[in-house]
Amino acid sequence: NAGVTQTPKFRVLKTGQSMTLLCAQDMNHEYMYWYRQDPGMGLRLIHYSVGEGTTAKGEVPDGYNVSRLKKQNFLLGLESAAPSQTSVYFCASSYQFVPPRAETQYFGPGTRLLVL
Amino acid sequence: GESVGLHLPTLSVQEGDNSIINCAYSNSASDYFIWYKQESGKGPQFIIDIRSNMDKRQGQRVTVLLNKTVKHLSLQIAATQPGDSAVYFCAETLDTGRRALTFGSGTRLQVQP
Repeated sequence: NAGVTQTPKFRVLKTGQSMTLLCAQDMNHEYMYWYRQDPGMGLRLIHYSVGEGTTAKGEVPDGYNVSRLKKQNFLLGLESAAPSQTSVYFCASSYQFVPPRAETQYFGPGTRLLVL
Repeated sequence: GESVGLHLPTLSVQEGDNSIINCAYSNSASDYFIWYKQESGKGPQFIIDIRSNMDKRQGQRVTVLLNKTVKHLSLQIAATQPGDSAVYFCAETLDTGRRALTFGSGTRLQVQP
């Protein structure tokens, strides 16, 4: 299993450009998440999905859109990139919670985005 | 390259010593906590977790302690090795139905050989 993969690994955008980040998982997980990581701030949740065809807003959703057309893929879109969106983006996936086992999220390697 | 910035609190220990990394969580209603390790240029990796009905849990070379009274978590690493050098994050769940995690800002552990 490849686990969680992300493409691209690195991208430079100009302000106002658009792009889509792709996340794929081969573990048949129901839940998928997009986070951004900024210096000194840990990871913050942008959007998440609890199953194919569903999406929901996280802590910092403004300026981003997502889609979950297939269970294994979760796309993050930036319609009009801004310098404030310069960050490292991480995708994660997890099983549905089954007590008493604890849930874990499996993370991808990250996408580094620079918006000029 | 580095995944996190330069202003994280840093813990520097000698190889072979024990390390203790602390975390204060924000929500007294949180019922599940996880410690992650993040090496440079990689995504976070699960280390150990603990539920709010426990105050201690042990893994291989790692122990997590939970003090709900003061909303404090700690991660203890025994016999720290150079491969333990990384940034360590604690995370808490605010809403178990949503399964989303809230992360702390992280602590950088540097192991001196």
